[in-house]
Amino acid sequence: NAGVTQTPKFQVLKTGQSMTLQCAQDMNHEYMSWYRQDPGMGLRLIHYSVGAGITDQGEVPNGYNVSRSTTEDFPLRLLSAAPSQTSVYFCASAKVAGEQYFGPGTRLTVT
Amino acid sequence: AQSVAQPEDQVNVAEGNPLTVKCTYSVSGNPYLFWYVQYPNRGLQFLLKYITGDNLVKGSYGFEAEFNKSQTSFHLKKPSALVSDSALYFCAVRPTSGGSYIPTFGRGTSLIVHP
Repeated sequence: NAGVTQTPKFQVLKTGQSMTLQCAQDMNHEYMSWYRQDPGMGLRLIHYSVGAGITDQGEVPNGYNVSRSTTEDFPLRLLSAAPSQTSVYFCASAKVAGEQYFGPGTRLTVT
Repeated sequence: AQSVAQPEDQVNVAEGNPLTVKCTYSVSGNPYLFWYVQYPNRGLQFLLKYITGDNLVKGSYGFEAEFNKSQTSFHLKKPSALVSDSALYFCAVRPTSGGSYIPTFGRGTSLIVHP
């Protein structure tokens, strides 16, 4: 199993540009989620999904969209990038009641 | 709403000494509790979890954690620290029923083990 994969590993955007961060898992997990990690802030939940076709907002959803058309994939879209979105983004998946499996992260810089 | 507090931003310990990383939580009903470790430039890795049963939970790399319901705590421990244990540690909680089933994470504690 590849586990949870994320692409790209690094990305630099200009303010106002849009992009999609990709996340895929091959463990048939129901739950998937996106977090951002900033120094001193820990992990903050952006959006999550409890199954294909079902998504919901987390703690910091503004400026981000998600969709979940398949069990495996959970892309995160930045609609119009802002410097405040400079962060490290992690995707995670889990079974019901189980621990989360995290991807390696995407380091995003918005200039 | 659920929450996690990790009261120490940083814990320093000498190699070979026991270590404790503290975590307290707040959740409606019974908790599921987790510890994760993050090495530099890596994603989080699962260490151990408490679901039910024995209050002392053993996990990866010789770590263990003690669930204390009356003190709402889930402290991470290791009898003898290694320099390679130096990393960022996160505690997480979610309710066993109700809610989103997505855990809430603490802000993390940086563990530094000195040779």
